[in-house]
Amino acid sequence: GENVEQHPSTLSVQEGDSAVIKCTYSDSASNYFPWYKQELGKGPQLIIDIRSNVGEKKDQRIAVTLNKTAKHFSLHITETQPEDSAVYFCAARGGSYIPTFGRGTSLIVHP
Amino acid sequence: DAGVIQSPRHEVTEMGQEVTLRCKPISGHNSLFWYRQTMMRGLELLIYFNNNVPIDDSGMPEDRFSAKMPNASFSTLKIQPSEPRDSAVYFCASSLGAGGPETQYFGPGTRLLVL
Repeated sequence: GENVEQHPSTLSVQEGDSAVIKCTYSDSASNYFPWYKQELGKGPQLIIDIRSNVGEKKDQRIAVTLNKTAKHFSLHITETQPEDSAVYFCAARGGSYIPTFGRGTSLIVHP
Repeated sequence: DAGVIQSPRHEVTEMGQEVTLRCKPISGHNSLFWYRQTMMRGLELLIYFNNNVPIDDSGMPEDRFSAKMPNASFSTLKIQPSEPRDSAVYFCASSLGAGGPETQYFGPGTRLLVL
């Protein structure tokens, strides 16, 4: 089955800096890669996703890149703000149609 | 849309008691997932329904756990008897996909504490 590794587990940045979270996956058949943000006491919420026929996707301060050859994808947050503080999860969906989640990255943005 | 609705939001019970968690998926969605989240194990998929039929229950820990989806708008996850190690946050998620589950929408979760 699919295996997703996510790094780092904790990321601390100053407000205004950029943050990058990286994930690798094992199933070359994976074709859908969503990113979720989980705030304290809430369920994960989709913030951006990318499909295997696209190399990069941007939505305001958030961007995701995908390297299918290397089987890794990354989340980039620019001009971080305190409200970006949360746990971020990557996921990969392969042939089973069921997404496999990474272990999560706790992002802390210091004012 | 109200999103995925879960109840109760918090549950405290004693070991050995039966616990029932409830979920109402987003109207029109045809896939429903139950997840368990702990610090040690992260987000674990317990069971996945498609069109009200259980497709993959390989993540269900043991026979003490059971899940049902009697109709497209309601699902339950039952633990009987409950044990302290079942303490976790349980999420329900739903999605709509013709070729397979697409974007999942998560509910707010049920925080379960078994004493």
